[in-house]
Amino acid sequence: DGGITQSPKYLFRKEGQNVTLSCEQNLNHDAMYWYRQDPGQGLRLIYYSQIVNDFQKGDIAEGYSVSREKKESFPLTVTSAQKNPTAFYLCASSISRANNSPLHFGNGTRLTVT
Amino acid sequence: AQKITQTQPGMFVQEKEAVTLDCTYDTSDQSYGLFWYKQPSSGEMIFLIYQGSYDEQNATEGRYSLNFQKARKSANLVISASQLGDSAMYFCAMKWTNAGKSTFGDGTTLTVKP
Repeated sequence: DGGITQSPKYLFRKEGQNVTLSCEQNLNHDAMYWYRQDPGQGLRLIYYSQIVNDFQKGDIAEGYSVSREKKESFPLTVTSAQKNPTAFYLCASSISRANNSPLHFGNGTRLTVT
Repeated sequence: AQKITQTQPGMFVQEKEAVTLDCTYDTSDQSYGLFWYKQPSSGEMIFLIYQGSYDEQNATEGRYSLNFQKARKSANLVISASQLGDSAMYFCAMKWTNAGKSTFGDGTTLTVKP
């Protein structure tokens, strides 16, 4: 079955450490996205990529970094510069950048930093 | 800037009744797409329904329909014959002028009562 796989489901880190969240898709989608969700709130865009080897900052990119070396993979690194990293992180993909192309989401990674 | 507003933080509905979840949007673009997503307590986001800005008819997908009023910039989700499994958080989202990214509202938590 095609889909988006995020791993791990739960992640615990000490403050000051960088951590990388994995996102892999086998849907052959061009576009991939990372969103952050805080309790009871909506989704905020961190980074997105329309094509391999290219990505753009979203609304809250500070303290995060990404890479898009393969079409299938879009890992997110939460750096020690991110002031409030504890959150639920969702990876998504869409067939294209077109307005009628919905997002397909992974199951998310819940990151806790203490 | 594009903005999505969902004014109902929480809604209750009796099983088998219909419910309307409100969504208003703000954009100066003429070409955009509107989406609704469902997020159960498990956290994954599920695409429900899409409406294009140039679509003259309201979108329908099974028990979901979208009441699209372009002049009022509203795109309300109607769920008919509510089921207990409809209890979840619902998000309205928009993509515009092939920008390739989506902006989300803060969501509405729907609780279906038996």
